[in-house]
Amino acid sequence: AQSVTQLDSHVSVSEGTPVLLRCNYSSSYSPSLFWYVQHPNKGLQLLLKYTSAATLVKGINGFEAEFKKSETSFHLTKPSAHMSDAAEYFCVVSDAGNNRKLIWGLGTSLAVNP
Amino acid sequence: GAGVSQTPSNKVTEKGKYVELRCDPISGHTALYWYRQSLGQGPEFLIYFQGTGAADDSGLPNDRFFAVRPEGSVSTLKIQRTERGDSAVYLCASSPYDGAYEQYFGPGTRLTVT
Repeated sequence: AQSVTQLDSHVSVSEGTPVLLRCNYSSSYSPSLFWYVQHPNKGLQLLLKYTSAATLVKGINGFEAEFKKSETSFHLTKPSAHMSDAAEYFCVVSDAGNNRKLIWGLGTSLAVNP
Repeated sequence: GAGVSQTPSNKVTEKGKYVELRCDPISGHTALYWYRQSLGQGPEFLIYFQGTGAADDSGLPNDRFFAVRPEGSVSTLKIQRTERGDSAVYLCASSPYDGAYEQYFGPGTRLTVT
C-alpha cells in the first residue's frame, strides 16, 4: 500500500533563507508524487508533480523537488523564503496505478519570520 | 475563469440530522472528487466521479454517506443521521479528464455536528 510520511509537522524559517520540507514515501510501484499548498481560508493548490519524467521537478513560486528513488524521498525546497510562503504543505502520492486516488501526508506548517 | 465552488462554506447541524453539501466543478471538467479533512490531518479520499457515475466510492466511511452527480456537473454529498465524528472540512476537486494528474480544489465546506 502507498503511504507518505512528512518528517516535520512544523518548520520555521526567516525570510530570505532556504526552505526544506521533507517527505518520504512508500510505494510498491513507480509512484506519482505531488506537493500541494494550502493557504489559510483558500483551496489546495498544486505546487508541482513528479510523474516519472525528470527527477528534479520545478513548480510554481520558485519551489522545486527532487525524486530520489534510492532514498524514497521527495523533499520540497526553495532557495529563499518569502513571507507569502507561510502555509500548510502536503506531500501526496497517487494510489498504485491509479492517479485518481491520492494518498496525503499529514502536512507541514511553514512559518516565515521577518 | 471560475474555479471550483462549494456551498455552504459553513454548516452547523445537530446530531442525527441530514445534510447536503454541494460542489460546482470547473466548467467542462469531467472528473470530480470528494475528500474529507479533519483537523491536523491531510485530506482523506471519499469518492470519485467520472461523468455521472461513481467510479470509485471506496473511501465512503459507511452507508450514511452518499454522493450523486446526476448531470455530470454539480455534485451533492449527502450525510444521513449525522454524528459528531462527521465534523470536518469537506473538500471537492475536479479534473479536466479522467486520469489527469492535477486536481483543482474548492475552498471546502466546514461541517460542525453539535
